[in-house]
Amino acid sequence: ETGVTQTPRHLVMGMTNKKSLKCEQHLGHNAMYWYKQSAKKPLELMFVYNFKEQTENNSVPSRFSPECPNSSHLFLHLHTLQPEDSALYLCASSQVGSVNYGYTFGSGTRLTVV
Amino acid sequence: GENVEQHPSTLSVQEGDSAVIKCTYSDSASNYFPWYKQELGKGPQLIIDIRSNVGEKKDQRIAVTLNKTAKHFSLHITETQPEDSAVYFCAAWTTNSGNTPLVFGKGTRLSVIA
Repeated sequence: ETGVTQTPRHLVMGMTNKKSLKCEQHLGHNAMYWYKQSAKKPLELMFVYNFKEQTENNSVPSRFSPECPNSSHLFLHLHTLQPEDSALYLCASSQVGSVNYGYTFGSGTRLTVV
Repeated sequence: GENVEQHPSTLSVQEGDSAVIKCTYSDSASNYFPWYKQELGKGPQLIIDIRSNVGEKKDQRIAVTLNKTAKHFSLHITETQPEDSAVYFCAAWTTNSGNTPLVFGKGTRLSVIA
């Protein structure tokens, strides 16, 4: 596989559930990102990981918990979410320090909280 | 920090006509400006980028122009086709800023009417 793969593609969960989103990149990149995309805020940066270390947390509620076990994998653990958390969650990766600066995005996980 | 404004938020054009999307940025240190296209059900994909050492870059029917003095850059799509219908995002970044993330505009929904 190539590129950035996100699973699952769709997820419906209740407000009391615990679930996890998974992202895997096959590009050898050293930085990974979680974005939330909704109608109100099209691309909202949530977390940044650089060489497995979290370098940015954009005031995200604690019900979202990221995990980056290695430079190829990124998880977003979800618990006690609210209906307003329903959105498309996008993962991206990039190579910091390279002349190729662009981000590569996955196709996203469409999350619905009921 | 950097702030990117994008206009218009929606744009409808007849097939074959040209489309122009404009972005302004606030940080004069920004020197890398990518454009992403997001089709329905997919993540954003990099379609073209420009660095501050050039004023224009072209790739077939798409081109990007950069005016560093005015701090604005534009995406031009000529001879539009229905498959150009998508949401387009501009972004700005400073390449020597370490892993400071890309700053995205709010997106433009382009509809090409056959």
